Amino acid sequence: QKEVEQDPGPLSVPEGAIVSLNCTYSNSAFQYFMWYRQYSRKGPELLMYTYSSGNKEDGRFTAQVDKSSKYISLFIRDSQPSDSATYLCAMSRGGATNKLIFGTGTLLAVQP
Amino acid sequence: DGGITQSPKYLFRKEGQNVTLSCEQNLNHDAMYWYRQDPGQGLRLIYYSQIVNDFQKGDIAEGYSVSREKKESFPLTVTSAQKNPTAFYLCASSIITGNQPQHFGDGTRLSIL
Repeated sequence: QKEVEQDPGPLSVPEGAIVSLNCTYSNSAFQYFMWYRQYSRKGPELLMYTYSSGNKEDGRFTAQVDKSSKYISLFIRDSQPSDSATYLCAMSRGGATNKLIFGTGTLLAVQP
Repeated sequence: DGGITQSPKYLFRKEGQNVTLSCEQNLNHDAMYWYRQDPGQGLRLIYYSQIVNDFQKGDIAEGYSVSREKKESFPLTVTSAQKNPTAFYLCASSIITGNQPQHFGDGTRLSIL
């Protein structure tokens, strides 16, 4: 079993829809949770960074962490065609090495 | 503008050849990382370095080597011992304290001739 599971998609939604992207994990020691957006042939770009449980909002993006269920989510409101990309979740235990464990990514397509 | 620069963007390797991928950052970050990205497998850690002249193996270090002679530079060599080198290689860096997130370059695509 992988430490981090993420549905690869593809997920296709119409412009303006609310998008929900999710990851589950098995290691209860994870404390830091990230979402990255990756356009084709580009490097991942950090979208959201949260510590422990709770919600964090930044513009149209909201990240949720539920440590009791070992489940994290990224919500995108009013989705735009420019949001079409692969979304990667990542998490770490923290500590000296700051080693990240990544999900495989979800491919999102927002149709105009 | 501060950032991470990877070069070249595309690289081709012949059988038995070593190739070196460049990674330079001007963010003044102490820690630097190399990842390999394959379809359906996510990012896997090859090597990382937290300080000049020191580096540690990641999960898939076999067939790769690195050096860290300067804070801003962390080149990766893909040796002939790496039998399946075709992949997208990503370099990242981060501030070392406070578990700050990693920031990535735009990658190098390596293919076999």
